[in-house]
Amino acid sequence: QVQLVQSGAEVKKPGASVKVSCKASGYTFTSYYMHWVRQAPGQGLEWMGIINPSGGSTSYAQKFQGRVTMTRDTSTSTVYMELSSLRSEDTAVYYCARGPRNWDAFDIWGQGTMVTVSS
Amino acid sequence: QSALTQPASVSGSPGQSITISCTGTSSDVGSYNLVSWYQQHPGKAPKLMIYEGSKRPSGVSNRFSGSKSGNTASLTISGLQAEDEADYYCCSYAGFYVFGTGTKVTVL
Repeated sequence: QVQLVQSGAEVKKPGASVKVSCKASGYTFTSYYMHWVRQAPGQGLEWMGIINPSGGSTSYAQKFQGRVTMTRDTSTSTVYMELSSLRSEDTAVYYCARGPRNWDAFDIWGQGTMVTVSS
Repeated sequence: QSALTQPASVSGSPGQSITISCTGTSSDVGSYNLVSWYQQHPGKAPKLMIYEGSKRPSGVSNRFSGSKSGNTASLTISGLQAEDEADYYCCSYAGFYVFGTGTKVTVL
């Protein structure tokens, strides 16, 4: 079945970086975009950016420009999201979400990865 | 880019219909028929309920329907059931993606 499996929870200190992985299975990896969305505790959803696994092109939300990097490994059908210069406000659950090429929506979601930033 | 505006909470009794609004601007909701809606139960990942304003993905109950008028999109849940109690988020394409503030639906 189609699924996205993310890496486990992380605890980081302020100023550090975190890299979260999202492994896709059950479909053709390069046929769908992948988005990253985060949710701070008790807060709403926030779109971070998109990667095209086919060519690796990316587009990031203005808020995260310069701090986020999305990459992919087609050999393992895995996408990565790295966020640098972490601060306490980055404490959140980070989700990868699949984006069909002919829809503007997120049809399959990973289980989420909790990232805690604390000194 | 500001979040789309949703009511903080909406409630209804089993069997009733409720509607959740999602108000944006002429730069997002008003410009594109690309609003999607997500249901999120506590501690779970969001689930796609409606895309492109009014289309339901396979497997989503036809009790869920979407519409749009001007800068406001709406999600209607008919025949409210206990399992519908969750948070709901709208999302619009605007050259990038912007989510709504979220609405907690309570089944009385």
